[in-house]
Amino acid sequence: SQQGEEDPQALSIQEGENATMNCSYKTSINNLQWYRQNSGRGLVHLILIRSNEREKHSGRLRVTLDTSKKSSSLLITASRAADTASYFCATDTGTASKLTFGTGTRLQVTL
Amino acid sequence: GAGVSQSPSNKVTEKGKDVELRCDPISGHTALYWYRQSLGQGLEFLIYFQGNSAPDKSGLPSDRFSAERTGGSVSTLTIQRTQQEDSAVYLCASSLAPGNSPLHFGNGTRLTVT
Repeated sequence: SQQGEEDPQALSIQEGENATMNCSYKTSINNLQWYRQNSGRGLVHLILIRSNEREKHSGRLRVTLDTSKKSSSLLITASRAADTASYFCATDTGTASKLTFGTGTRLQVTL
Repeated sequence: GAGVSQSPSNKVTEKGKDVELRCDPISGHTALYWYRQSLGQGLEFLIYFQGNSAPDKSGLPSDRFSAERTGGSVSTLTIQRTQQEDSAVYLCASSLAPGNSPLHFGNGTRLTVT
């Protein structure tokens, strides 16, 4: 079963706009990670946020984590056409040491 | 350095045949994972290897699926008597250590069972 669920399932925006994706999960976590997947490729790690962190930045990416609500958000600012991809959150519960992935958000950035 | 390498990139097989999928992790990565991704879906965990510990096989969907990791490096995922529902992309990933380490993924093997 999926630990994380992303919302929305699909998002279409214009270049230059910001994109926000949300992830909800069910059990306590050690950390939460966001990955990106271009069509026909493997996943690429974007950012990791630990359970004791609330916000983290990396370039145009901003991730927040609210452990009380068991949710996280990924914000991509000033989006570009090259950001078009699927984005997945993944949770590490720290017990089985395997990441459990959500169902993903498909982001389309148009010119 | 080289990333995670998977072969073949594509495999078409007839129902009932056995297939072997190979994964070469990044050198020095002790943790290795196999996931399965059906069209437009998320990733389904299959199996996890960490060093010399017994693998976590809790995600394998049936006894037709097995995997091994030789010498703590290369891993092979074997599917016996393939079924059409086995058609998917099989992704391999490795990491330096379990927990708090990002996964590095290969580009996957697209398996089609006809």
